[in-house]
Amino acid sequence: GDSVTQMEGPVTLSEEAFLTINCTYTATGYPSLFWYVQYPGEGLQLLLKATKADDKGSNKGFEATYRKETTSFHLEKGSVQVSDSAVYFCALNEIQGAQKLVFGQGTRLTINP
Amino acid sequence: DGGITQSPKYLFRKEGQNVTLSCEQNLNHDAMYWYRQDPGQGLRLIYYSHIVNDFQKGDIAEGYSVSREKKESFPLTVTSAQKNPTAFYLCASSILGGGDTGELFFGEGSRLTVL
Repeated sequence: GDSVTQMEGPVTLSEEAFLTINCTYTATGYPSLFWYVQYPGEGLQLLLKATKADDKGSNKGFEATYRKETTSFHLEKGSVQVSDSAVYFCALNEIQGAQKLVFGQGTRLTINP
Repeated sequence: DGGITQSPKYLFRKEGQNVTLSCEQNLNHDAMYWYRQDPGQGLRLIYYSHIVNDFQKGDIAEGYSVSREKKESFPLTVTSAQKNPTAFYLCASSILGGGDTGELFFGEGSRLTVL
């Protein structure tokens, strides 16, 4: 079946550093791709998405580009803040219309002041 | 405010007991989902439902049961047959069709600990 692989965590950075969290996927079709974020003690919330190849999703300074040739959807931010500390999940929509998401294992990010 | 409410937030259970986790949404979403979250393993789908009185098994349905008698409600029962029930359980909902955004709306989760 379809799957998502994220870089191992935890990731610790200093404030204002550049962030990359790698995500690659395996899928038989052309899935939509997502990044979700989970702040401490909360459920997940959608951070950004891309629905077709070469689409770039962006939100709150985060960006990710759907790369079909490398089957990747890496998350980037140019200058992180302490408030970005959270767990980040990459996900794909396995069946179009069914909203049946497959999640990666999550990457815990800690930003130090 | 519209959203998803899960209860209880924390639950302790003795081995051999069934427990039921509540999930209610007032977003008028057709689809509802239950995920299990374990450290280092991400989220795994337990059950999902796209319409009242119908639901489908996800990847790890063994030892769990659900019902969908009302559009707003999708309770999950963790039965004594579930061998390792200690986990964080997340309920989610979404629209279906009309754009297929893939966006799930999550509750704040229920943490179950088996003593």
